[in-house]
Amino acid sequence: GAVVSQHPSWVICKSGTSVKIECRSLDFQATTMFWYRQFPKQSLMLMATSNEGSKATYEQGVEKDKFLINHASLTLSTLTVTSAHPEDSSFYICSARAGTGVGEQYFGPGTRLTVT
Amino acid sequence: QKEVEQDPGPLSVPEGAIVSLNCTYSNSAFQYFMWYRQYSRKGPELLMYTYSSGNKEDGRFTAQVDKSSKYISLFIRDSQPSDSATYLCAIGGGADGLTFGKGTHLIIQP
Repeated sequence: GAVVSQHPSWVICKSGTSVKIECRSLDFQATTMFWYRQFPKQSLMLMATSNEGSKATYEQGVEKDKFLINHASLTLSTLTVTSAHPEDSSFYICSARAGTGVGEQYFGPGTRLTVT
Repeated sequence: QKEVEQDPGPLSVPEGAIVSLNCTYSNSAFQYFMWYRQYSRKGPELLMYTYSSGNKEDGRFTAQVDKSSKYISLFIRDSQPSDSATYLCAIGGGADGLTFGKGTHLIIQP
């Protein structure tokens, strides 16, 4: 149980284009999903918290107009990187919190974005 | 001072050894303490989580939290080559996202 999927697993795009990444909880409903970014040999850094049916909450320093988050249902959240630049190249990972309990978060397999 | 400090390693030990992985943190409000295992280019996999202080054991893995020292540990007994991975500690206040350490790269030598 507690499986989270992401699509695509990797994507290459040209500078200036937009890319959408999907995060799905497959066997549970997730009222809250989180988006993280991980640069090589660095820690996961929380970008934003997404609650179903409401606007995402962004961490300090994360541009909300550049990283658009939509949490349209209890099993799906999407992250759109708009006007991508090479410095946006990174490993993007979502997580979902199962049920209403706090504590454990289950992570997706990640999406590797390369902007050329 | 960073919120969560973790030695990135690499830590190399022979097969069968006991492994000790540690993190320190600065925010005493944290209540939830997790350990994740991450293989290269994969998402983190939850190993264990504890709430508040104390110990928790699951098979060969034991997690310890010392809130007075703001110190958390993960012990792996009878380590196996398949345990080779990056181990991330993560700490949370409850409803929020997690704050991660940098991860310790562990190598178990056959």
